[in-house]
Amino acid sequence: GDSVTQTEGQVTVSESKSLIINCTYSTTSIAYPNLFWYVRYPGEGLQLLLKVITAGQKGSSRGFEATYNKETTSFHLQKASVQESDSAVYYCALDNYAQGLTFGLGTRVSVFP
Amino acid sequence: GALVYQYPRRTICKSGTSMRMECQAVGFQATSVAWYRQSPQKTFELIALSTVNSAIKYEQNFTQEKFPISHPNLSFSSMTVLNAYLEDRGLYLCGARGYSAETLYFGSGTRLTVL
Repeated sequence: GDSVTQTEGQVTVSESKSLIINCTYSTTSIAYPNLFWYVRYPGEGLQLLLKVITAGQKGSSRGFEATYNKETTSFHLQKASVQESDSAVYYCALDNYAQGLTFGLGTRVSVFP
Repeated sequence: GALVYQYPRRTICKSGTSMRMECQAVGFQATSVAWYRQSPQKTFELIALSTVNSAIKYEQNFTQEKFPISHPNLSFSSMTVLNAYLEDRGLYLCGARGYSAETLYFGSGTRLTVL
């Protein structure tokens, strides 16, 4: 089956510092799945942060970036300088087209001033 | 843009009773709708995927008898949790995608509490 493993638990980071959330995936159903990062801000629903559907490409949104690396089967999320408003839970997910998404466990990011 | 509305936002039901949640796509035609559950301390688990003109496909551990789903048109879907018990509590999300099929758009979720 498909699985997604990401940095677990909570990450605490100071404002203006860099952030990286690791994500690796495994799939037996398709060679190159679509990869996504979703974010859930406090009190809100799940929002798409960025997506990459082509291996080797980089996606970016709101200062976040993630590169689809098929060699290492990774899709790490990075931001060079975080803000308090980036405090949220981030989910890495893969889509094998035929089914719904497979999500990682989520990483809670807390940014303090 | 594409939006998905889900209601109710929160609901409480007594153990053994049932509750229905609804999902509406706005701004696009939802050719497929996926229902997920996030139980406490867990990630989002796929319950079932409903695609227009295809049978609804339930994942292991979830059944139509427990979670009947209706997807009558390209903008609406509903799911009922029948005979809810403590283990059914959590956040239920519906995600819908349109003809482009690349992105799943999610509603805000329905948080179910079972007493």
